[in-house]
Amino acid sequence: SYVLTQPPSVSVAPGQTARITCGGNNIGSKSVHWYQQKPGQAPVLVVYDDSDRPSGIPERFSGSNSGNTATLTISRVEAGDEADYYCQVWDSSSDQGVFGGGTKLTVL
Amino acid sequence: QVQLVESGGGLVKPGGSLRLSCAASGFTFSDYYMSWIRQAPGKGLEWVSYISSSGSTIYYADSVKGRFTISRDNAKNSLYLQMNSLRAEDTAVYYCANYGRTWFDPWGQGTLVTVSS
Repeated sequence: SYVLTQPPSVSVAPGQTARITCGGNNIGSKSVHWYQQKPGQAPVLVVYDDSDRPSGIPERFSGSNSGNTATLTISRVEAGDEADYYCQVWDSSSDQGVFGGGTKLTVL
Repeated sequence: QVQLVESGGGLVKPGGSLRLSCAASGFTFSDYYMSWIRQAPGKGLEWVSYISSSGSTIYYADSVKGRFTISRDNAKNSLYLQMNSLRAEDTAVYYCANYGRTWFDPWGQGTLVTVSS
């Protein structure tokens, strides 16, 4: 089955740029989606189809995907961005959804 | 406004059964594919199952195949997950979510299932 690998944690100072990676075999050939989950809340989609943002998501959130790595970039990080972030793809070879293990973003 | 509200969670003994429901409102439910996703306490997200808008296409995660059954009633704007032969490792918050082209959005608030003797 397809595996997505994320770093367990990323730390960044307020105002700086956070980059969260998601590794997978030839992930560049798939559409990658990103979710933000704050404690006690349901996940929220922040980026879909590698780099598109749902309505209401700040432009500070952006994504890219190439080769074996997809990246969620959060510019001008705010305290309110502190959360767990998950990448996700649909594995069409097995007809199953796949999530990365999640990355805890800490705002210092 | 799209709203998804899960219910039916609770405490069940190993080997027992439980049926989860997800009530949808604010959109034309019969037009949308739906999914169940779960999250064990303190752990990450795990996709569980998917059903097409008509119910004709269904997929399951290997971890629940043969034990869980997803279904929907478009007349009642409702999604269901019948869970049989429950195990301790099925303990999780279960979310229902709209399935977009390949993404999940939005999600309900979740319902907690605890499998313990």
